[in-house]
Amino acid sequence: AQKVTQAQTEISVVEKEDVTLDCVYETRDTTYYLFWYKQPPSGELVFLIRRNSFDEQNEISGRYSWNFQKSTSSFNFTITASQVVDSAVYFCALSEEGDSNYQLIWGAGTKLIIKP
Amino acid sequence: NAGVMQNPRHLVRRRGQEARLRCSPMKGHSHVYWYRQLPEEGLKFMVYLQKENIIDESGMPKERFSAEFPKEGPSILRIQQVVRGDSAAYFCASSPRAGQGNQPQHFGDGTRLSIL
Repeated sequence: AQKVTQAQTEISVVEKEDVTLDCVYETRDTTYYLFWYKQPPSGELVFLIRRNSFDEQNEISGRYSWNFQKSTSSFNFTITASQVVDSAVYFCALSEEGDSNYQLIWGAGTKLIIKP
Repeated sequence: NAGVMQNPRHLVRRRGQEARLRCSPMKGHSHVYWYRQLPEEGLKFMVYLQKENIIDESGMPKERFSAEFPKEGPSILRIQQVVRGDSAAYFCASSPRAGQGNQPQHFGDGTRLSIL
């Protein structure tokens, strides 16, 4: 069965520190997609990244970077030089290629608090 | 704004009343998905609809909940005889076709339902 685990319920760091949010997934499919979303205090969902299972290249976008490791079924997210505006709940999600490929399976989220 | 539009943004109901949540998909999108987010949790899939058809309602409670996506107009998620446990954020997403391969779901800002 598919599952997404975000073991860190809450992380608190001081501004300018680097922080890594962990995401571990379970799936039997060889083709699948992984996502990260940000949910700021205002509540909307902000799409950050989508990665398919055949692309294991790490990705960097400004201060954000993602480390996809199929060997450990992990898709971790790092924020470099964190800022107060990064404070939010971050969700990792998975979808599989199959009959229910439209369903996103979500982790419970990690609440990130950046202190000034 | 060509994004997914949900209204109302906030909805307050008393126990026993009905709640109607509306979702207008992005232009050109004919696939709609509803998710529920309970406090402090990730999103859970509820239902997937195409125009005039319910494709998958496996995540939706069997009683009191219903969804439709008529030929004209927005998709409606309807909750009858609401109870306190229905308090949650309800997100709608849309895509031009099913699946996640090249068609990521675009999310609305959600409706926060509070039951008094």
